[in-house]
Amino acid sequence: KAGVTQTPRYLIKTRGQQVTLSCSPISGHRSVSWYQQTPGQGLQFLFEYFSETQRNKGNFPGRFSGRQFSNSRSEMNVSTLELGDSALYLCATNRDRAAQETQYFGPGTRLLVL
Amino acid sequence: LAKTTQPISMDSYEGQEVNITCSHNNIATNDYITWYQQFPSQGPRFIIQGYKTKVTNEVASLFIPADRKSSTLSLPRVSLSDTAVYYCLVAERNYGQNFVFGPGTRLSVLP
Repeated sequence: KAGVTQTPRYLIKTRGQQVTLSCSPISGHRSVSWYQQTPGQGLQFLFEYFSETQRNKGNFPGRFSGRQFSNSRSEMNVSTLELGDSALYLCATNRDRAAQETQYFGPGTRLLVL
Repeated sequence: LAKTTQPISMDSYEGQEVNITCSHNNIATNDYITWYQQFPSQGPRFIIQGYKTKVTNEVASLFIPADRKSSTLSLPRVSLSDTAVYYCLVAERNYGQNFVFGPGTRLSVLP
């Protein structure tokens, strides 16, 4: 079956702009989590959506937001971009919220803010 | 939150067995331990998961002592293609799916 899809794969924006990233989960997966990865901070959890509801949120400012649609696809939005938002944004999906469920990661969207 | 501690980096040679240990002193009763592998500019890839004792699959083994305060990922006979960052992750059941990734161990396999 098809894996997790993220679009776009690469993106260049300037400070102050906003950006929307998309994640399409594996068929049947209802949980979508988003992560930011930077060389300095490593992999950091942003938020998780399950059945169109945000269940958990990491320690990021309100400029970072997300949503999930009825088909489980998810988008995350970053407003008023800052240079420090340059990162690899990863989404991970699994079937439900059980702790033993394996997460499947997408290839990521690499965002560069100039 | 159950934080994890791993060595920042390790070097090995092809054909050797590599053991990477992760400490998670505050692991909760219902938490699982999962290891992921990540290559540059790619998303992490699941390697193995366990709750207690020993788990083995086609690529690795995971050893978890009785107190579960640590775990060891064992990679048999590594090759150059095993050069990657390895993350130990403890599932935070109390916080739903708020997975907390450790800093990762950068494994370099030398010829």
